[in-house]
Amino acid sequence: GDSVTQMEGPVTLSEEAFLTINCTYTATGYPSLFWYVQYPGEGLQLLLKATKADDKGSNKGFEATYRKETTSFHLEKGSVQVSDSAVYFCALQGANNLFFGTGTRLTVIP
Amino acid sequence: DTGVSQNPRHKITKRGQNVTFRCDPISEHNRLYWYRQTLGQGPEFLTYFQNEAQLEKSRLLSDRFSAERPKGSFSTLEIQRTEQGDSAMYLCASSYQGSRLEQYFGPGTRLTVT
Repeated sequence: GDSVTQMEGPVTLSEEAFLTINCTYTATGYPSLFWYVQYPGEGLQLLLKATKADDKGSNKGFEATYRKETTSFHLEKGSVQVSDSAVYFCALQGANNLFFGTGTRLTVIP
Repeated sequence: DTGVSQNPRHKITKRGQNVTFRCDPISEHNRLYWYRQTLGQGPEFLTYFQNEAQLEKSRLLSDRFSAERPKGSFSTLEIQRTEQGDSAMYLCASSYQGSRLEQYFGPGTRLTVT
């Protein structure tokens, strides 16, 4: 069945460091892929998405590229800020619902 | 557009009691989803509605759980005879069928069963 495997955390980085959070998926066909972010005390927010192979989703300095060959959708940011501290979830679109990874907690220290 | 709202935000109940949660989706969204999120895990799908019709239920939705969306607007999720294993965050999301990829999530209801 469809599933998402996400890099385990937690991840702690200094401000302005480079971020990568790995995500790989298993699915039939080529589902749309997403990154959601959950800030402390808030609900899940869509961060970015990609709907087909080689698409690059981007938002707020974050990027992820849909790699069909490696079944991956890794999240990257060139220079993280303290305000990026949150839990990040990779997800794929099933027939009617989303399948989520377990989440990666990111803490950025000044 | 006020976003998806959920009430209550927190609920503490004793084992064996019944609880009911409410979700108000974004007004023009005809699809509504319920997910459950336990500590350290990602959200897991429970069920979804298109308008008032419940079209899919996951195997996680035991017979103690029931969800309704009577007029195709707000939805309720009831858990009967709660168990400690029901303690989790219950998330509601909504989307517009024409753009079903974009699910918008509410803040969740955190249930603690003692």
